[in-house]
Amino acid sequence: ETAVFQTPNYHVTQVGNEVSFNCKQTLGHDTMYWYKQDSKKLLKIMFSYNNKQLIVNETVPRRFSPQSSDKAHLNLRIKSVEPEDSAVYLCASSYRGYEQYFGPGTRLTVL
Amino acid sequence: QQKVQQSPESLSVPEGGMASLNCTSSDRNFQYFWWYRQHSGEGPKALMSIFSDGDKKEGRFTAHLNKASLHVSLHIRDSQPSDSALYFCAASEHPNTNKVVFGTGTRLQVLP
Repeated sequence: ETAVFQTPNYHVTQVGNEVSFNCKQTLGHDTMYWYKQDSKKLLKIMFSYNNKQLIVNETVPRRFSPQSSDKAHLNLRIKSVEPEDSAVYLCASSYRGYEQYFGPGTRLTVL
Repeated sequence: QQKVQQSPESLSVPEGGMASLNCTSSDRNFQYFWWYRQHSGEGPKALMSIFSDGDKKEGRFTAHLNKASLHVSLHIRDSQPSDSALYFCAASEHPNTNKVVFGTGTRLQVLP
């Protein structure tokens, strides 16, 4: 099956903990993205990455960092979570910046 | 301020009716558009792109772009309950670019 896969589906954690989310795409795409979708359903791009360039949205706090082992994987690490990090995190991929294919998302709840 | 604004915020139409969604970019550099649809519990899925002035039709969906006003609309003919979802407009500076801005979204409900 070719798609974008994310794990875990849900994660509940305490303020100050470190969390990591995984994303894998089997579509053969060359670019991957992380988005944050807040409680109002607004979609904000956090990072985009291909094998040449990492583009960071300047509004993303430094406690967030992407981690890539190859062009099919782009994980997201949050060093010390805060309550405002509660959201759905969506991973996506595209070929040369065209149509983006999204995964189902990881819902993070910070207590 | 959001660069890509959508209206209305929510919309209800009867099954079989026509749904019309609007999107405007406030940045003249962003004039290439996509429409995405997100069902509850899923990630968004691309419906169609429109890069040139005029209409583009794909099945029951028709997009219209006016580059002069940076306005794009999506019309859904013969709406079905399965069309109930959150619809996003996305704008970019080029047809293929990593830099894409998503709009504020329109929630569509199709009533049986």
